[in-house]
Amino acid sequence: AQTVTQSQPEMSVQEAETVTLSCTYDTSESDYYLFWYKQPPSRQMILVIRQEAYKQQNATENRFSVNFQKAAKSFSLKISDSQLGDAAMYFCAYRSPRIGGSQGNLIFGKGTKLSVKP
Amino acid sequence: DAGITQSPRHKVTETGTPVTLRCHQTENHRYMYWYRQDPGHGLRLIHYSYGVKDTDKGEVSDGYSVSRSKTEDFLLTLESATSSQTSVYFCAISESPSSEQYFGPGTRLTVT
Repeated sequence: AQTVTQSQPEMSVQEAETVTLSCTYDTSESDYYLFWYKQPPSRQMILVIRQEAYKQQNATENRFSVNFQKAAKSFSLKISDSQLGDAAMYFCAYRSPRIGGSQGNLIFGKGTKLSVKP
Repeated sequence: DAGITQSPRHKVTETGTPVTLRCHQTENHRYMYWYRQDPGHGLRLIHYSYGVKDTDKGEVSDGYSVSRSKTEDFLLTLESATSSQTSVYFCAISESPSSEQYFGPGTRLTVT
């Protein structure tokens, strides 16, 4: 079974600085999808970024980018120019493209709480 | 934002009572999911649906049932609520198993 591990329960960053959140996963599949979700205090789950395993190029969305290392099964999120609004829980998630079983089931890590200091 | 609503948003109920949570979408997506979120566990899948009247179990399905009679509605029922089912419940939708999942605002359920 696939597992997702976020080894940093809490992180802190100074406003305008850069921070990297770590995520590792375990799978025997060669094709899959990886996601980062943000959960602010409002509790809403917001998709931040998505990465397809077959793509070598790292995904980027404005100030958010990932470092996807397939061989190492690592998927870290880099937030540049951190803003106060970036303070939230961040969840890494894995999804298998297989049909059948828990179709499209997202497997989540336990999250990293990010604080942004003014 | 994807058109997903959940009702109620907050509920307090007593042990042993039945509870139904509703998820409603306006996106016409085929796939719908129910997750629960607990401290130290992240989100875990309870049940999911891959079409009207087509549902299957997830990782933590014991004590829960679901129904989907229309594309837009996915109901989660706790037949006899227990304190261990105190949690935040999220509904999610997606067009296909490989596309993004979009989440509803969540329902905080407290079982006393």
